[in-house]
Amino acid sequence: AQTVTQSQPEMSVQEAETVTLSCTYDTSESDYYLFWYKQPPSRQMILVIRQEAYKQQNATENRFSVNFQKAAKSFSLKISDSQLGDAAMYFCARSNSGGSNYKLTFGKGTLLTVNP
Amino acid sequence: KAGVTQTPRYLIKTRGQQVTLSCSPISGHRSVSWYQQTPGQGLQFLFEYFSETQRNKGNFPGRFSGRQFSNSRSEMNVSTLELGDSALYLCASSPLPRKGGYTFGSGTRLTVV
Repeated sequence: AQTVTQSQPEMSVQEAETVTLSCTYDTSESDYYLFWYKQPPSRQMILVIRQEAYKQQNATENRFSVNFQKAAKSFSLKISDSQLGDAAMYFCARSNSGGSNYKLTFGKGTLLTVNP
Repeated sequence: KAGVTQTPRYLIKTRGQQVTLSCSPISGHRSVSWYQQTPGQGLQFLFEYFSETQRNKGNFPGRFSGRQFSNSRSEMNVSTLELGDSALYLCASSPLPRKGGYTFGSGTRLTVV
């Protein structure tokens, strides 16, 4: 089975510091997307950042950036200047594209705590 | 612009009953996907609908079904509920089926007792 692995069940960071969440994945496809979603206690999955596999340049969104290593099938998320509002469960996900059928495969998540 | 709306937010059902969950996508979005989230199994894909047609289905028993209406609203149904069906059910929408990602709702928390 093609999987997404997040090896850190929990992480903590001091407010204003930087933290990196790890993700590795498995795929036999060459064209796919990778995502980081954030799920706060409100339960809604919020898209943090997305990376197109065919783009070599790492995606950035304000304080959030990724380190995409396609050959190593690695996709880590770096959060700079961490804020209390960043505390949440973070999920790494990969899109499948079996023909024209799309779905997301998620990792188990990393619970991020931000300490004041 | 309203987001993805799921109703109800919470639901308690008895084993053996059936349940219907509703999802209204973002206006203009025609693709709707459903996911089940449990502490043990994490997030798992249930199915995807586009233009009232189920395009993709995950590895769930036939007790799980869904449909999409002409206005793109979607419902999922679970019959003969089991304790293990207790989960957060998340709906996500996109303008078209695509690899680029979906916008999720806040989910329906189903508890089976």
